[in-house]
Amino acid sequence: DTGVSQDPRHKITKRGQNVTFRCDPISEHNRLYWYRQTLGQGPEFLTYFQNEAQLEKSRLLSDRFSAERPKGSFSTLEIQRTEQGDSAMYLCASSSGLGTLGGYTFGSGTRLTVV
Amino acid sequence: AQTVTQSQPEMSVQEAETVTLSCTYDTSESDYYLFWYKQPPSRQMILVIRQEAYKQQNATENRFSVNFQKAAKSFSLKISDSQLGDAAMYFCAYRSYPYGGATNKLIFGTGTLLAVQP
Repeated sequence: DTGVSQDPRHKITKRGQNVTFRCDPISEHNRLYWYRQTLGQGPEFLTYFQNEAQLEKSRLLSDRFSAERPKGSFSTLEIQRTEQGDSAMYLCASSSGLGTLGGYTFGSGTRLTVV
Repeated sequence: AQTVTQSQPEMSVQEAETVTLSCTYDTSESDYYLFWYKQPPSRQMILVIRQEAYKQQNATENRFSVNFQKAAKSFSLKISDSQLGDAAMYFCAYRSYPYGGATNKLIFGTGTLLAVQP
């Protein structure tokens, strides 16, 4: 297992278009997280899955954002009708549910630019 | 709500010297975890060190150690014998202890950009 994979690495889209990102977590990790990071800021929590259930969602997440994790494996994050303010790095992370002292494994992120 | 504050946007250190990065946090919880993550330019974030709040002993990982002051809600990172590869953005992060119903999210500070001068 090579860690958490995210695809694509970079995405440039026109305002108003829909985009979808994919995250493949470490196979034995049942927890998956999405974060958003803008320039000069720390990552902000977006949403959390335990297996296929979406258990927590940030109030910052507008209804243009939706995430899924079918079958508790990979996850997708879709942004509809993109806006320039959506430009950011979108990070995915995973962890196991064994306490693990809270440690996550992060992916390399998908950088979204909305023009 | 919990918050994490890193008041040093940028720091610089000479190779082989020691540097300390500051972090303060605010919480009403008594059990939690604290972390330092390193994010090199254009590379993924990796865990440097973690501290459980119920442990009084400060965590150490090779050249990295923390000074955890629970009463003061302070959690600084000391990097000894700095190396060029230590240059990165460093984030302090907080997570609630995983009691039933507790959030699983990490709360990050704004980061400190560390430069290492040869």
